[in-house]
Amino acid sequence: SQTIHQWPATLVQPVGSPLSLECTVEGTSNPNLYWYRQAAGRGLQLLFYSVGIGQISSEVPQNLSASRPQDRQFILSSKKLLLSDSGFYLCACLPQQYTQYFGPGTRLTVL
Amino acid sequence: AQKVTQAQTEISVVEKEDVTLDCVYETRDTTYYLFWYKQPPSGELVFLIRRNSFDEQNEISGRYSWNFQKSTSSFNFTITASQVVDSAVYFCALSGGDKIIFGKGTRLHILP
Repeated sequence: SQTIHQWPATLVQPVGSPLSLECTVEGTSNPNLYWYRQAAGRGLQLLFYSVGIGQISSEVPQNLSASRPQDRQFILSSKKLLLSDSGFYLCACLPQQYTQYFGPGTRLTVL
Repeated sequence: AQKVTQAQTEISVVEKEDVTLDCVYETRDTTYYLFWYKQPPSGELVFLIRRNSFDEQNEISGRYSWNFQKSTSSFNFTITASQVVDSAVYFCALSGGDKIIFGKGTRLHILP
């Protein structure tokens, strides 16, 4: 079965600083990969998804970007963080069995 | 357009009571999947169940049961004899092409 790793687990960054969150997947190949953000007490907002290496679909226009340099690696980045970027970031994997599995998440606080 | 509605934002019940979480969905696809996930305070989403649109059989897993009714586009989740450890946010979701569409979640409080 697949395992999803995310790091860092928690991050505190000043406004205007860059961001790089990493997600790696084990136990499956060629999965769809997803980045979600969850603001405090709110639902899941899909940010990006990828169906293959180098293929990124953006759901919400914002100052974030995503990249998929390898089959099982998905990176979320920003050049300059905003206060509104604070939240809980979840990486998810959709392998062939049509069930989406989630990583442990990264809690980002922008001050 | 595909949509998942969880009308119950927050529910509180006393331990050992039964509780049902409602989920109503919209889709034009004939083949789709429905899901329930649990998000405990730790934050990680835990997969609970997946249901194929062609399989309307209800499912029971321990204290958990799911009622899928295509006629009403509903996929409700019942916890029998609730326990404090069941306290969490529960999300219903629907597959849509390459994406999974989530409801806004229901926060469940089980009071001791």
